[in-house]
Amino acid sequence: DTAVSQTPKYLVTQMGNDKSIKCEQNLGHDTMYWYKQDSKKFLKIMFSYNNKELIINETVPNRFSPKSPDKAHLNLHINSLELGDSAVYFCASSQVGGGYGYTFGSGTRLTVV
Amino acid sequence: GNSVTQMEGPVTLSEEAFLTINCTYTATGYPSLFWYVQYPGEGLQLLLKATKADDKGSNKGFEATYRKETTSFHLEKGSVQVSDSAVYFCALSEYGNNRLAFGKGNQVVVIP
Repeated sequence: DTAVSQTPKYLVTQMGNDKSIKCEQNLGHDTMYWYKQDSKKFLKIMFSYNNKELIINETVPNRFSPKSPDKAHLNLHINSLELGDSAVYFCASSQVGGGYGYTFGSGTRLTVV
Repeated sequence: GNSVTQMEGPVTLSEEAFLTINCTYTATGYPSLFWYVQYPGEGLQLLLKATKADDKGSNKGFEATYRKETTSFHLEKGSVQVSDSAVYFCALSEYGNNRLAFGKGNQVVVIP
């Protein structure tokens, strides 16, 4: 199936740990994104890569580091996890320009305890 | 900058009722407009879109018309079902700008 897939779907971890979330798309899109959704469902963009180049880097703690080994993959690494990092993280992709909308992954629910 | 405003608060209605969710936008250019739906425990799915003024997007009985004069893109459905219970997000993007601006979302609960 053509899709945006992210793993894991659920992640429960202790404060201070380092964790990664992986994302892959097989839609042939050039641009990929990471969004954070808080408990009130508010969506906030974190990062965007266009063909492996970082093009959007919102004000997020530098404990969050994206990595794009190729245009089909965008991973998110989080160091020294904090309670406030608990949220649902969505990966998405789009054709260049974004005017056709995004295709979203199913999300990773991160719980920091 | 670009922004999207959705009406405040959740929407609760009975099955077969008429649904309207208001969405207005601010944009510097000529945006494309979208409605996304998020069912419980899932990611966002594109519900419908419109790319220019007076276009009407439609899908699954939902409709929205791109109104440039009122900068609005209200979502409507004539007869909702329990399965329409979800969170609905209005969004916009301008061609060449990879950023998709989302509204805050509206929780819709349809009661049998």
